[in-house]
Amino acid sequence: EVQLLESGGGLVQPGGSLRLSCAASGFTFRSYAMSWVRQAPGKGLEWVSTMSGSGTTYYADSVKGRFTISRDDSENTLSLHMDSLRVDDTAVYFCAKDDSYIVVVPAAQAFDNWGQGTLVTVSS
Amino acid sequence: DIQMTQSPSSLSASVGEEITITCRASQTISTFLNWYQQSPGKAPRLLISAGSILQTGVPSRFSGSGSGTEFSLKIRGLQPEDFATFYCQQTYSLPRTFGQGTKVEV
Repeated sequence: EVQLLESGGGLVQPGGSLRLSCAASGFTFRSYAMSWVRQAPGKGLEWVSTMSGSGTTYYADSVKGRFTISRDDSENTLSLHMDSLRVDDTAVYFCAKDDSYIVVVPAAQAFDNWGQGTLVTVSS
Repeated sequence: DIQMTQSPSSLSASVGEEITITCRASQTISTFLNWYQQSPGKAPRLLISAGSILQTGVPSRFSGSGSGTEFSLKIRGLQPEDFATFYCQQTYSLPRTFGQGTKVEV
């Protein structure tokens, strides 16, 4: 059974930094791209970042230059380092497993498993 | 970026009813369209990929159709556990954008 367990959320001041982690189990982690998707309170889903199994990274324009995605295939862990946090970064951050090794567009790819999320609150 | 627009934003229905949710893309996306279900306080769950492919374990009362710019998610015979928010997502181009969601309420 695929399990994704996020951690690292919390309260941080604007301009601060935070590091999220996602511990994965139940599948061959190194064989899949992994992503972060966030959801602001009462709002919809917003894709944040993806790292392919080969190490290629992708970012939403809203976080480019501030967030860094990384993965440790030996520890089956996905991370998201967030710098220069803003109030509008407040959201539940979900770790999601892609159903493919690399990101290809156009392609029939999807986020086939999700963690329960970790809440990041940016407030003074 | 491709904009995904869902309609309606919310709808009220009863157990046993049939409902349809529509998702429109701002440009053609072939059938590169996924549907997710999110129950309150829970993580999203993939229901349908590539426009119409039902995921393992998803009840057959769910179905997806469409191509190009217009897609639909149909639920035949609503069950209590189906009251949730549904999102479409395109995978035709980056970023892989979501619709704003459709909340299905009792």
